[in-house]
Order: sequence, then C-alpha cells, then structure tokens
Amino acid sequence: DQQVKQNSPSLSVQEGRISILNCDYTNSMFDYFLWYKKYPAEGPTFLISISSIKDKNEDGRFTVFLNKSAKHLSLHIVPSQPGDSAVYFCAASAGFPGGYNKLIFGAGTRLAVHP
Amino acid sequence: GAVVSQHPSWVICKSGTSVKIECRSLDFQATTMFWYRQFPKQSLMLMATSNEGSKATYEQGVEKDKFLINHASLTLSTLTVTSAHPEDSSFYICSARASSGYNEQFFGPGTRLTVL
Repeated sequence: DQQVKQNSPSLSVQEGRISILNCDYTNSMFDYFLWYKKYPAEGPTFLISISSIKDKNEDGRFTVFLNKSAKHLSLHIVPSQPGDSAVYFCAASAGFPGGYNKLIFGAGTRLAVHP
Repeated sequence: GAVVSQHPSWVICKSGTSVKIECRSLDFQATTMFWYRQFPKQSLMLMATSNEGSKATYEQGVEKDKFLINHASLTLSTLTVTSAHPEDSSFYICSARASSGYNEQFFGPGTRLTVL
C-alpha cells in the first residue's frame, strides 16, 4: 500500500519557467512532509519541509504548499534552472517534533530543466 | 555540517559471500540511523532503524538474519548482507538523524551492491 504517491514519474520544464512537482498521501497521521533532491549514484539531499500546522513554506526559489483536506502537497521551483535537474522525492512522517519517526517516500519525479 | 559517508561506494561480490557496508556521521552524533534500499526507478524503502547501543528494528518483510545491522557508536552503523544473492543487488543508502532536532535525516551517498 503506497502511502505516499508521486504520480508523475517525470517532468520537463524550460529554464526560467516554474516547475511544479506533486505528491499525494493517504495516511492522515502524517504531519511532517519533506522534499529531497537526488542526483544519480548519490544519496538524497534535504530541500525543504513543512509541518501540518502550515500550508506554505518558502525558501528562496523553492516553495512547498500543503493542502491537508486534499492530502496533497506540491513543490514549486521558480525560476527553474538546469542545475535543478534531478529526481525529487516527497517524504512524510508521523510524529513531530523529535519523536520516533519513519520517513515514507514517494517513488520520485525526475525533473529535467532544459535551456 | 551534517555529512554522512558510506563505504564502500560500490561493491561487486560473488553469490554466497557477505558484504559489509559502513555508514558514518562525520560531524555530528547520530542517535538513530536508518538503512534504505532502492531498486531502479523505485522509491527508497526503509529496511531498518538502528539506535545506538540497542537492537535494530526491522521493517516487515526484511530478514534480520540476512541483513545484520550494528550501531556500535554514535557515529557508525554497519549493514552486513550475509550470503548475498543476485536479488540482493541494489542501491543501499543510510541516513542519520542527529541526537537533537526534528525529523530531518541526512543521507549518505549510497552503496551500489552487485551480486554475481
């Protein structure tokens, strides 16, 4: 049972435009959500997170939106740059902050930003 | 800061042999370390959670006698794949969570295991 779903395996965006990566979850106990970026043959690197008490978190070009009623979150990258080309994983956990937490990952979306 | 290393970065072994993968937190103490595996084009699947000084907690379907985890210190956890078979070939990634802080985990670069 996939508790975290990223239904788009790939996304292609032109440089300078907005990239929108989507993530849906099914477990209503999830209250902390993270986005990771992964290059080939490397481990994921943390990008941005959001807790369930917020509906938006912004960090530079990256903004994460959370819609709890729809159990949906999205990552917006604007403007997109070629260096943003990577696989983006959405992850969720229950129990925040500091408690035992297990990250449940989506399958990832491969973003390609072309000139 | 918050650097996690893994060694080796890749390994090729014969079927039936055992392989040990090390995960180290280089600049922080990690009370908890996690081991994941990733098959091509699939998500990272949590295999087990290890807490320093105690037995690892394995996820459902992961054989604890096959995937031995040792978290002997606050900066080192090891995963030993015993009697490896070709189906164990995968990308193994560890992550470490600092002794303080929120849910953020810092990931190692991963180890590519190929069993012939």
